[in-house]
Amino acid sequence: QVQLQESGPGLVKASQTLSLTCTVSGGSVNSGYYYWTWIRQPAGKGLEWIGRFFTSGSTNYNPSLKSRVSISVDTSKNQFSLKLNSVTAADTAVYFCARDAAVAGTPWFDPWGQGILVTVSS
Amino acid sequence: QSALTQPASVSGSPGQSITISCTGTSSDVGSYNLVSWYQQHPGKAPKLMIYDDIKRPSGISNRFSGSKSGNTASLTISGLQAEDEADFYCCAYVGSVTVFGGGTKLTVL
Repeated sequence: QVQLQESGPGLVKASQTLSLTCTVSGGSVNSGYYYWTWIRQPAGKGLEWIGRFFTSGSTNYNPSLKSRVSISVDTSKNQFSLKLNSVTAADTAVYFCARDAAVAGTPWFDPWGQGILVTVSS
Repeated sequence: QSALTQPASVSGSPGQSITISCTGTSSDVGSYNLVSWYQQHPGKAPKLMIYDDIKRPSGISNRFSGSKSGNTASLTISGLQAEDEADFYCCAYVGSVTVFGGGTKLTVL
């Protein structure tokens, strides 16, 4: 059974870089069947897709965040990471990592990590 | 505002059936872009309930079903139970981007 777990600082200063890691257990980030994805949710609001990484090295990002975001994979640690630079208070949210089966043609996310709250302070 | 439109709230009594809609356009939901649905309880991660418009993952109750007509996908919950009270989100490709609907709060009266 694949499980995902987010980790990283819960507090980031404005204008700095938010860095999170998702550790995958029970499966491999090298799998050619899945994308590895980040999604966020501001308090009291809906879900926002941030972007995804495929084992080939290809990435796709939300156009609204594309200039500030990067997602990468460390196969030796079976982890994938999110970096979001120049953060503002608007980036305060719960950040989820998830596995995306979109390689088969359509996006669906399962499983999800439990989520990690990141607060951007001024 | 999301490109996938959901009602902000729906409600129903225990035992009843409710339907949550997710409306897109002929270029996304109404074309070959399939829809997935997620249930999220407060403070928890979303949970996949339906994928590829109508498929149910292993372990999901058959009280949950998905359908699509034209530009609108729907999630139906039959035999409402108190534990079904949660937020529900649809998801699909819109253009080349993965988009979630704005979410629907289900209240079990």
